[in-house]
Amino acid sequence: AQSVTQLDSQVPVFEEAPVELRCNYSSSVSVYLFWYVQYPNQGLQLLLKYLSGSTLVKGINGFEAEFNKSQTSFHLRKPSVHISDTAEYFCAVTAGDNQGGKLIFGQGTELSVKP
Amino acid sequence: NAGVTQTPKFRILKIGQSMTLQCTQDMNHNYMYWYRQDPGMGLKLIYYSVGAGITDKGEVPNGYNVSRSTTEDFPLRLELAAPSQTSVYFCASSYVDQPQHFGDGTRLSIL
Repeated sequence: AQSVTQLDSQVPVFEEAPVELRCNYSSSVSVYLFWYVQYPNQGLQLLLKYLSGSTLVKGINGFEAEFNKSQTSFHLRKPSVHISDTAEYFCAVTAGDNQGGKLIFGQGTELSVKP
Repeated sequence: NAGVTQTPKFRILKIGQSMTLQCTQDMNHNYMYWYRQDPGMGLKLIYYSVGAGITDKGEVPNGYNVSRSTTEDFPLRLELAAPSQTSVYFCASSYVDQPQHFGDGTRLSIL
């Protein structure tokens, strides 16, 4: 079975500062890893995904994430955040034989960007 | 392109009432999912379907039922609403080899 832990429930940060949202996972099989963003009163939107290959993955809106197999981590980063990045962010995994399979989500991290 | 459409967006139910949350997708995806989102808990899978006529339980199926008579539609049924089912419900769909697309959610309160 897979599980996902997001290490921070809330991350406050000032505009134009860098940010890292931390995600650890556990699994006995290979996984696909995802970060989704949820703006207020909206559904989830895919930010980026890791399937295989390069461990540094670039997504939309200037976000990137690094897959670290030895640390079982998939942390999300952005070098300079904007007010519009204020949202909830979810890390998720699916067991490794297809991308469209059942997702296991972390608890979410609320990113609050302040002017 | 509408994507995944959920109706209604908001609903208040009384304890013991029943209702159906509707979900339809226009992307011809074979996989469809229902999740519930509770504060601080992330999303939990209720039921899923890998194609018309095929459904299976997820992590939290108790108190819910689903059907999948067509590729496009995947309704979620609450038979006897309970306060513990107050939540935000999300429907999602995907191809087997693509990430899931989510609807905007149904916010359900049971009083």
